[in-house]
This record gives sequence, structure tokens and C-alpha cells, in this order.
Amino acid sequence: AQSVTQPDIHITVSEGASLELRCNYSYGATPYLFWYVQSPGQGLQLLLKYFSGDTLVQGIKGFEAEFKRSQSSFNLRKPSVHWSDAAEYFCAVVSYNQGGKLIFGQGTELSVKP
Amino acid sequence: DAGVIQSPRHEVTEMGQEVTLRCKPISGHNSLFWYRQTMMRGLELLIYFNNNVPIDDSGMPEDRFSAKMPNASFSTLKIQPSEPRDSAVYFCASSTSGRDFEQYFGPGTRLTVT
Repeated sequence: AQSVTQPDIHITVSEGASLELRCNYSYGATPYLFWYVQSPGQGLQLLLKYFSGDTLVQGIKGFEAEFKRSQSSFNLRKPSVHWSDAAEYFCAVVSYNQGGKLIFGQGTELSVKP
Repeated sequence: DAGVIQSPRHEVTEMGQEVTLRCKPISGHNSLFWYRQTMMRGLELLIYFNNNVPIDDSGMPEDRFSAKMPNASFSTLKIQPSEPRDSAVYFCASSTSGRDFEQYFGPGTRLTVT
């Protein structure tokens, strides 16, 4: 069965520092992968997605993610974090044999120090 | 487009009362998902519909929970009777199946059962 693991429950970075959030997936074929962000009290917003092609995908708010098949990873990065990036981040993979439902990771909460 | 609309945004009720949460998906989307989010269990898929038909309700906690989608523009999630452990944020999401599987989330309903 498909699964997604986000090893880091909580990460704290200083404003202006670079960020990398880890995501590992378990899936036999080429996965469809997503990163969502959830600000406090809000719903989930799509940051970026990977289906095929270029393994480095660009998203909104200056985020990017790189798909690495050999490592079964889809890590999210940002070169310089802003205080407004403090939120919870979810990685997800599509489950094709379950009607396209998303399998979400546990989420990583990002705190940003001034 | 107004996005996914959920009502009410907040609901406070007493144990034993019936609660009905409502969702209007994005026009043209044919898949609808209900999620529950708690600190302890994270984001859980409760049920999803495709073309108004329930496809997978394996995430529904128990018989107290029921969901309907009478037409393409409206869905309800009902809890009867409600219990304090049902307190959570309930999200509705919609997508266009067969395309990129991107799910668009509503703002959520924060339910508190006292």
C-alpha cells in the first residue's frame, strides 16, 4: 500500500535561513506527489506538485521540491525563509487504485525565529 | 471561483446533539472528500464521493457518522449523536478525477462538542 513519511514533526529555522523539509514515499510506479501548506486556522493550500518530467518543480511562495526516485523522496526546499512561512506542511501521494485519493504524511510544523 | 465553501465555520454543541456540516465543492469538480483533523490523529480521510456516489467510506469512525451527496454541488456530513471525542476540524475538498488529482480544500469547520 502507498504511504508517505515525513520524518520531522517540528522544525525551527531562523528567518533568512534555508529550509528543507523531508518526505519519503512508498509506491511501486511513478507517483503523483504534492506538497500542501496549512497556515493556522486555515485549510490546506497546494504549494507544488510533481507528475512527470523535470524532477525539480517550482511552486508558489518561492518553494521548490525535487523528486528523487532512487531515494523515494520528494523534499521541499526554500533558499530563504520568511516569518510568514511558519505553518504546517504536508506531503501527499495519489493512490491510483483508490480513486485518486491522497495519502498524506503526518505533517511537519515549521517555526521561524526572528 | 469562490473555491470550496464550508458551513458553518465554527460549531459548538452539547454531547448527544445532532451536528450537520455542509460543503459546496468547486463547480465542475466531480470528486469530493471529507477529512477530519485532530492533534492526536492528524489528517484523516473519512469518506469520498465520485460523481455523487460514495466510493470509500472506510474512514468513517462509526455508525454515528453519515455523509450524503444529493447532487454535484452539495454534500453533508452528519454526526448523530455527537460526542466530545468528535471535536476536531472537518475539511471538505474537491477535485476533478481523471486529471491531475489536485484537491482544493475548504476553510474547514471547527467542531467543539461539550
